[in-house]
Amino acid sequence: DGGITQSPKYLFRKEGQNVTLSCEQNLNHDAMYWYRQDPGQGLRLIYYSQIVNDFQKGDIAEGYSVSREKKESFPLTVTSAQKNPTAFYLCATRQTGYNSPLHFGNGTRLTVT
Amino acid sequence: QKEVEQNSGPLSVPEGAIASLNCTYSDRGSQSFFWYRQYSGKSPELIMFIYSNGDKEDGRFTAQLNKASQYVSLLIRDSQPSDSATYLCAVNPISGNTPLVFGKGTRLSVIA
Repeated sequence: DGGITQSPKYLFRKEGQNVTLSCEQNLNHDAMYWYRQDPGQGLRLIYYSQIVNDFQKGDIAEGYSVSREKKESFPLTVTSAQKNPTAFYLCATRQTGYNSPLHFGNGTRLTVT
Repeated sequence: QKEVEQNSGPLSVPEGAIASLNCTYSDRGSQSFFWYRQYSGKSPELIMFIYSNGDKEDGRFTAQLNKASQYVSLLIRDSQPSDSATYLCAVNPISGNTPLVFGKGTRLSVIA
């Protein structure tokens, strides 16, 4: 099946620990994105990558890090520097080209206590 | 700062009525416009996109675009309780792969 796989679906961590969220796609899309969503809030862009080995900060990059070593994969690390990491994290991809829509994975719900 | 504005709602409509969801955007150069539906606890799913001024229909959904007024709307005809969700408007500011700009969404409640 073609699609975007985020894992795990639920993740629990203790405060002070780094945690890595996985995002894998087999849609052959060049661009990949990470968003954060808090209850009752809209989507906020964390990082995005338009090509392998390159990525850009979004609106709320502080406390997060990413890598893009392969076209298919764009993992997100939530570091201990992120003040309020508990949220719903969404990975998305986009085809290169004019007017392409975003396609979303199913999300990872992270709870830090 | 490119902005997309939506009324947060909730917008309540009776079953069978037309639901009208509205979105305004600040960047006059915006090229393409997307509507996503997000059920509680789930990820957004694309339901409509529109690039040209006018109306675009797909089943019970109609997207309307007025670039001169910087306004895009989504009409849902014969609303069903299963349409109850948050609807996100997204705008592509310029051509290419710059990130879409999202509104905060409008929560729609269809009352049976």
